[in-house]
Amino acid sequence: EAGVAQSPRYKIIEKRQSVAFWCNPISGHATLYWYQQILGQGPKLLIQFQNNGVVDDSQLPKDRFSAERLKGVDSTLKIQPAKLEDSAVYLCASSGGGLAGTSTDTQYFGPGTRLTVL
Amino acid sequence: GDSVTQMEGPVTLSEEAFLTINCTYTATGYPSLFWYVQYPGEGLQLLLKATKADDKGSNKGFEATYRKETTSFHLEKGSVQVSDSAVYFCALSPLNFNKFYFGSGTKLNVKP
Repeated sequence: EAGVAQSPRYKIIEKRQSVAFWCNPISGHATLYWYQQILGQGPKLLIQFQNNGVVDDSQLPKDRFSAERLKGVDSTLKIQPAKLEDSAVYLCASSGGGLAGTSTDTQYFGPGTRLTVL
Repeated sequence: GDSVTQMEGPVTLSEEAFLTINCTYTATGYPSLFWYVQYPGEGLQLLLKATKADDKGSNKGFEATYRKETTSFHLEKGSVQVSDSAVYFCALSPLNFNKFYFGSGTKLNVKP
C-alpha cells in the first residue's frame, strides 16, 4: 500500500519567517499525528487528529504553531514566526482503519521534513 | 503517566556481535509494546511489536519479549550486520491505541 507522504523533505528558513509542511496519510486512516523530533531525541507529539477533529494538542506551542486537517484526509502544519529552537525533523504518522496491509494498533510514519532555522 | 525508558547510546558493536538494547516501561493496564527503527534521513519504521504479556515479537532476526513482571521489552539480535546501524526506539501504546509514547532512542553503530 502507499505510505505516508510528506513534503517538502527539507526546508531552510531564517528566524521569524513562516513555513508550512504537508502530510497525506495512508488512505482510510482516521488518526493523524504530527511529531517534532529534535536531533538526538525521540519524537514528541505536537498534535493528534481523529478524522478532522483535534484529539490532543496539549504540547503544541499555539502562539506560533497551527495545524489543520480539512476533510479528514491530508493535513498541514504551520509555524509562524519560526524560532531557532524549531530546527528539527517534523514527522507525520497515521493509524487506524484496519485496511489491508496495515494494523490498527500501529503507527505508520512518513519520511519527515527536516527544518533548519537560521 | 505512561512512559518508556531505554538505554542511552551510542552502542558500538562489531559485525556478528550479539545485541541487546534495554527498554522498560511504566503504564497503567496492559499496553502494546513496539520497537521502531530509524535509518539515517528516514522516518520511523515498525520493526516488531507485542500486544500481550509473554508475547515475543520478531522480525529481520530481531526479537523482543513482553515481560510484564519486569515491565521490560528488551530488543535482541544474535548477530548484527553493518546494515543494522540505525536508531532504535522503544514505544508503548495503551489499550485503545490512540496514543503512543516513545523512548529517547538508542543509536547503534555496527563496524565491519
